[in-house]
Amino acid sequence: SQQGEEDPQALSIQEGENATMNCSYKTSINNLQWYRQNSGRGLVHLILIRSNEREKHSGRLRVTLDTSKKSSSLLITASRAADTASYFCATDSGGYQKVTFGIGTKLQVIP
Amino acid sequence: DAGVIQSPRHEVTEMGQEVTLRCKPISGHNSLFWYRQTMMRGLELLIYFNNNVPIDDSGMPEDRFSAKMPNASFSTLKIQPSEPRDSAVYFCASSNSAFGAEAFFGQGTRLTVV
Repeated sequence: SQQGEEDPQALSIQEGENATMNCSYKTSINNLQWYRQNSGRGLVHLILIRSNEREKHSGRLRVTLDTSKKSSSLLITASRAADTASYFCATDSGGYQKVTFGIGTKLQVIP
Repeated sequence: DAGVIQSPRHEVTEMGQEVTLRCKPISGHNSLFWYRQTMMRGLELLIYFNNNVPIDDSGMPEDRFSAKMPNASFSTLKIQPSEPRDSAVYFCASSNSAFGAEAFFGQGTRLTVV
């Protein structure tokens, strides 16, 4: 079964706007990651946030983690058409760091 | 490093045939994952290995699916016999758990069973 669930499942915005995607998960985790998948391609790692971190930045990406609510959000600022992709959150728990993915948010950025 | 290498990139086979998907993880990584992606079910974890040992195969859908990792640089996912509902994109990913759980994905194998 999937550990994470992204919300919304689809999001359409204008270029230049900010995009926010949310992820909820069920069990305690070691780390939470966000990945991007362009159509027909493999997943690409974006950012990892550890369970003892609350916020992390990478370029135009900002990730927050609230372990008390078992949720995370990914903010993409000043979106570009090239950001059009599906975004997945992934969690790992347990000593062997098994990574499981949510169902993804499909983001469309309209030029 | 060339990244995670999967072969073949595309496979079309007839129902009932055996299919073998191959994966070469990134050198030095000690964890390997096989995922299946479909429109209906999203990205599903099928099996993962740590140090070449299968740790959790609870995601393998049926006995028709089997996976092996004979050494640190090679893994296979086999479907025998294949069925049309096995049509999906199969991804292999590897990670080095010593540096956190960032997983590196291959480009995937698009399997079509007709």
